[in-house]
Amino acid sequence: EVQLVESGGVVVQPGGSLRLSCAASGFTFKDYTIHWVRQAPGKGLEWVSLISWDGTSPYHADSVKGRFTISRDNGKNSLHLQMNSLKTEDTAFYYCVKDQGAYGVYSPFDAWGQGTLVTVSS
Amino acid sequence: IVLTQSPGTLSLSPGERATLSCRASRRVNSNNLAWYQQKPGQAPRLLIYDASSRATGIPDRFSGSGSATDFTLTISRLEPEDFAVYYCQQYGSSPRTFGQGTNVEIK
Repeated sequence: EVQLVESGGVVVQPGGSLRLSCAASGFTFKDYTIHWVRQAPGKGLEWVSLISWDGTSPYHADSVKGRFTISRDNGKNSLHLQMNSLKTEDTAFYYCVKDQGAYGVYSPFDAWGQGTLVTVSS
Repeated sequence: IVLTQSPGTLSLSPGERATLSCRASRRVNSNNLAWYQQKPGQAPRLLIYDASSRATGIPDRFSGSGSATDFTLTISRLEPEDFAVYYCQQYGSSPRTFGQGTNVEIK
């Protein structure tokens, strides 16, 4: 069974930093592009970041570019999101999400974690 | 690509047919369009991909259609568990974008 388990969500002040993690199991992690998708409470879905299966191609949404950095450790089946210069508008549930297809082929998201809540507030 | 879903809210009774629309601001490459269902307190679940292919385990009352810029999700007969929010997503180009969602609520 595919499992994605996020952790690291807390309350942080504006301008602060936070590192989210995602532990993956049940599939060959190193073969798949993985994403972060966020959802502000009561709002819609927003794609945030992706990292290719081999870690060579990170890509971020304009709303977080220069502040967030996605990374992965294929040896530990883990994904991370380093979040700096946090803003109140970054408050959201952050989901770790897996591509359906292997090796970076454009594909939908076929597995989602349960999400971790990041609250940016003074 | 901006995706616009309509209507924002659909009020229907169990057993009725639901038709949800997703319109793209420009052509979606290779009809790389997916639909997701999200229930309160849960993560989204993949229903349809490549515009019309059902994901594993999805009942056949869910169907997708359309191409290029206009796509539709149809639920032939609503079951009580189908009342939820539905999102479309294009994954044919970066950044991958979502529609704003359609809430299917019990009338």
